[in-house]
Amino acid sequence: QQQVKQSPQSLIVQKGGISIINCAYENTAFDYFPWYQQFPGKGPALLIAIRPDVSEKKEGRFTISFNKSAKQFSLHIMDSQPGDSATYFCAALPRGSARQLTFGSGTQLTVLP
Amino acid sequence: DSGVTQTPKHLITATGQRVTLRCSPRSGDLSVYWYQQSLDQGLQFLIQYYNGEERAKGNILERFSAQQFPDLHSELNLSSLELGDSALYFCASSYRGGNEQFFGPGTRLTVL
Repeated sequence: QQQVKQSPQSLIVQKGGISIINCAYENTAFDYFPWYQQFPGKGPALLIAIRPDVSEKKEGRFTISFNKSAKQFSLHIMDSQPGDSATYFCAALPRGSARQLTFGSGTQLTVLP
Repeated sequence: DSGVTQTPKHLITATGQRVTLRCSPRSGDLSVYWYQQSLDQGLQFLIQYYNGEERAKGNILERFSAQQFPDLHSELNLSSLELGDSALYFCASSYRGGNEQFFGPGTRLTVL
């Protein structure tokens, strides 16, 4: 059962544009929501994360928006650059001692020069 | 570089064989996690160890087992390999049971 749904599957934007990736979750036990960036042949790298008591978090060109009542969160990449071309995964972590990440299905982002 | 190391980088073997994947966590991290990444299943959690003890189990097959040693490195053992076990296997680590998990470069397993 997929507990974190991610869309779109792929995204193409022009350099300088805004990339938006959306995720929705079902399990209310999740209390930490990270985004990971993965380049081909590499492991996922933690990009930015948010807790559900915060509605927005910004780090440089990356912003997470979080809607607790709708159980949705999204990643916005401002001024997208060709170097941002990668696969992005949203994820969720439950509270408690079992810290297994549940990942979305991934979004392949291509930023055209 | 996350500080998590995994060996080997690539592994090619035949069906029915057994392999061992190795992971060294970041210095000071007590928790180790194993994930499998395949085209059809995406990134799936397999198992978590904390300071040598199993803490959580996910979609890990009975043919797979893992352990974490006193020096905190971990090994994932895959036996009776099938074609469908071909995937990328990632190890991640975190400080204690912290939220931030840092992933290694992965081991690409190909079962022929």
